[in-house]
Amino acid sequence: EVQLVESGGGLIQPGGSLRLSCAASGFTVSSNYMSWVRQAPGKGLEWVSVIYSGGSTYYPDSVKGRFTISRDISKNTLYLQMNSLRAEDTAVYYCASGRPFDLWGRGTLVTVSS
Amino acid sequence: ENVLTQSPGTLSLSPGESATLSCRASQSVSSSYLAWYQQKPGQAPRLLIYGASSRATGIPDRFSGSGSGTHFTLTVSRLEPEDFAVYYCQQFGSSLWTFGQGTKVEIK
Repeated sequence: EVQLVESGGGLIQPGGSLRLSCAASGFTVSSNYMSWVRQAPGKGLEWVSVIYSGGSTYYPDSVKGRFTISRDISKNTLYLQMNSLRAEDTAVYYCASGRPFDLWGRGTLVTVSS
Repeated sequence: ENVLTQSPGTLSLSPGESATLSCRASQSVSSSYLAWYQQKPGQAPRLLIYGASSRATGIPDRFSGSGSGTHFTLTVSRLEPEDFAVYYCQQFGSSLWTFGQGTKVEIK
């Protein structure tokens, strides 16, 4: 079955770090555009990062320099390393594949609060 | 950054009516790089339309997309109860991808 499963969310204090994982099955992460998208409570979708099949990565200004997207080919898994977390980073984080996003995970909740 | 502005914010309609949703871009977008998604409460978004006008796999033909340049439209004909949801447009024509803020289609 083709699917994405996120993990790693939780409660973290402001200024802390967290790493999200997204395990893929049924297809190869390294052969696809892979992205992270977040949704703050009651808000819309915000694209957070993308890694191209060739390895190029891109971020919006809101997370650039704090978040890093990466992948592990051997584990067929996508990651999002999040540093210097802020209250406004609180959201459900989805991983998604393709361009456009034709496959989504169910999301993992990240809460940044003291 | 290419800002996408969706209108209206909320659309109140009855089942059987048609919905017309607008997505305007601050910079021109190639039609190939414009998509629409549907999201229901508690669920991940679902791809509806790609390439501005092509339906994704399994999407009923009452959903249609059109437009070019800076103005794109999603039309939902003959609204079914399951179509009441939030709809987002997205562009990925540059290295910075963006979503519109969403349009909620609610039951009148």
